[in-house]
Amino acid sequence: GAVVSQHPSWVICKSGTSVKIECRSLDFQATTMFWYRQFPKQSLMLMATSNEGSKATYEQGVEKDKFLINHASLTLSTLTVTSAHPEDSSFYICSARAESSSNSPLHFGNGTRLTVT
Amino acid sequence: GQNIDQPTEMTATEGAIVQINCTYQTSGFNGLFWYQQHAGEAPTFLSYNVLDGLEEKGRFSSFLSRSKGYSYLLLKELQMKDSASYLCAVRPGGSYIPTFGRGTSLIVHP
Repeated sequence: GAVVSQHPSWVICKSGTSVKIECRSLDFQATTMFWYRQFPKQSLMLMATSNEGSKATYEQGVEKDKFLINHASLTLSTLTVTSAHPEDSSFYICSARAESSSNSPLHFGNGTRLTVT
Repeated sequence: GQNIDQPTEMTATEGAIVQINCTYQTSGFNGLFWYQQHAGEAPTFLSYNVLDGLEEKGRFSSFLSRSKGYSYLLLKELQMKDSASYLCAVRPGGSYIPTFGRGTSLIVHP
C-alpha cells in the first residue's frame, strides 16, 4: 500500500518552455503532498507543500510564480516549471503521507529528472 | 535553523556490518527517519525512531539518543544491493515535515 506515482520519470525541454509534472497517490487520499528538489550529491530540499483545495505553501527562496502547484483533488498534485532555464535542471520528487498518525513516513514518487537545454 | 550531519561516503565489504551515524540540531524534535535511496530513484522508508533506544528490523537497525542529538543506522550481513545513499531525516518540534541530511553514499564491495 501507500504508492505514490510520478510522471514523467524524465523530461528534456528547451530553455523558456514549461514542463508539468504529475504526482498521484494510487491507493490512498492525500490532502497534503510535498514537492522536493534534489541536485546531484545534495540533500532533498523541500520546495513547497501542496494543499488540496487551497494555495500551496512555498519554502523561502522558492518562486511561486515559477513553480506553479495545483492540488485539485485528493489524489493528484501537479508541479509546473514555467519558463524553464538550465539551472532548473534537477531531480524533482513528490511525496505524501498515507496516514495522519505522527509516525507515518513520507512515501515518495519515483522522481522526475528534468534537463533544460 | 535545522542542521543534520552525516558522513558523505562510506565503504564496506560484502557480509560485513556498517554503522552510519547522524547528528542533528533542530528546533525541538518530533521523530527521526532513515531512508534508502538508490541512484536516480526516490527514497524508500527504512525506519522511524521517536524514543531513545534501538529499533530492529531484519538486517537493519536504527538507534536514537535524543539527549545527544544522535542516531545511527546499522546494516548487518551487507549485500551488494545495499550500495545506495542513506538519508537521515529529522522532524523538528511541532512539524510533521522532515528535514533531510545530505545522505551517506555507501559502497559495498566484494
